[in-house]
Amino acid sequence: GENVEQHPSTLSVQEGDSAVIKCTYSDSASNYFPWYKQELGKRPQLIIDIRSNVGEKKDQRIAVTLNKTAKHFSLHITETQPEDSAVYFCAASPAGGGADGLTFGKGTHLIIQP
Amino acid sequence: DSGVTQTPKHLITATGQRVTLRCSPRSGDLSVYWYQQSLDQGLQFLIQYYNGEERAKGNILERFSAQQFPDLHSELNLSSLELGDSALYFCASSGGTGGLDTQYFGPGTRLTVL
Repeated sequence: GENVEQHPSTLSVQEGDSAVIKCTYSDSASNYFPWYKQELGKRPQLIIDIRSNVGEKKDQRIAVTLNKTAKHFSLHITETQPEDSAVYFCAASPAGGGADGLTFGKGTHLIIQP
Repeated sequence: DSGVTQTPKHLITATGQRVTLRCSPRSGDLSVYWYQQSLDQGLQFLIQYYNGEERAKGNILERFSAQQFPDLHSELNLSSLELGDSALYFCASSGGTGGLDTQYFGPGTRLTVL
């Protein structure tokens, strides 16, 4: 089955700086890669996703890049703000989100230092 | 608010008991997914139902079962509970066409087994 590795497990950045979280996956058939943000005790909330027919997607301060050859994808957050502090999860789905469950990374605890 | 609802929010029970968790998907969504989140295992996919039929299975124990009803709500049944079953249980829903669907998570049910 699919295996998703995520790093770092903890990332501390100064407010206003950029944060980058990286994930690798094992199944070359994976073609859907969402990122979720989870605050303590709350539900995972989708912040951005990318499908394998594109290499990059941007939504305001958040961007995701995908390298299918190397089987890795990354989340970039620019101009970080205190409300960005949370745990971020990457995920991959081999058959597409509608036909299979998501395989998640272990999560990155992002801490924004004021 | 994702539009996915789950009840109850909290559940405290004893080892050996059986519980039922309930999920209502977003209006119009045909797929329901169940996930377990624990400190040691992270977020793990358990099972998916699409329009009443089981579609995909993940790391679901034999003591656990699920079903999706004609009104599309779903129930996850956990029996012979063990201390290690204590976790957050999330359901998610998607449009369920079998393509590259986005999954939206509910608020979760926190299960504590004493």
